[in-house]
Amino acid sequence: DTEVTQTPKHLVMGMTNKKSLKCEQHMGHRAMYWYKQKAKKPPELMFVYSYEKLSINESVPSRFSPECPNSSLLNLHLHALQPEDSALYLCASSPRFRDLYNEQFFGPGTRLTVL
Amino acid sequence: QKEVEQNSGPLSVPEGAIASLNCTYSDRGSQSFFWYRQYSGKSPELIMSIYSNGDKEDGRFTAQLNKASQYVSLLIRDSQPSDSATYLCAVNYPTDNYGQNFVFGPGTRLSVLP
Repeated sequence: DTEVTQTPKHLVMGMTNKKSLKCEQHMGHRAMYWYKQKAKKPPELMFVYSYEKLSINESVPSRFSPECPNSSLLNLHLHALQPEDSALYLCASSPRFRDLYNEQFFGPGTRLTVL
Repeated sequence: QKEVEQNSGPLSVPEGAIASLNCTYSDRGSQSFFWYRQYSGKSPELIMSIYSNGDKEDGRFTAQLNKASQYVSLLIRDSQPSDSATYLCAVNYPTDNYGQNFVFGPGTRLSVLP
């Protein structure tokens, strides 16, 4: 299995809702990432988990809460989002984190719309 | 601030031509370089990685790296309309805090005209 999967593909939520995005990989990768991508912009790093521990939080607002239940799963819990949070949310994984020769592999993304 | 720069395009080439995509980066300590293809509304797909100076070929794709000039390029031979996409250059460079950081360029939009 050489892919990263993400669910749901699309999500529409109100500003008072709580929802979660899910990411899964079975490549034995020990680093997993959340990125946010707005239209016509490159992906922006949000969080990095290495060996199931949070390694990087790029000053992301607390309304985004990551969780790594095990080495294959990564969740992003969403609460009280704003319309400007509407974007494509991408999960990625790589064999290791502290490795200059890492390749990152992306999942298909979740298209999030906040009303 | 580590920077990765690309021409935003659009770069238009006729079908069958060679498309040349360029990327420059600011940190001389950068060690690894990646090209991703991203179709509209889809996620980035890794197409090439390169770590050493020179050329690396994979099918119709050739990545070229010149660390002295801090320049990496992607050539697409025999361009097809299906190659029309945004191409993202990514650079992995060392940091004191985290050991490495992965920075994307803004992307170049390629349009292959039938």
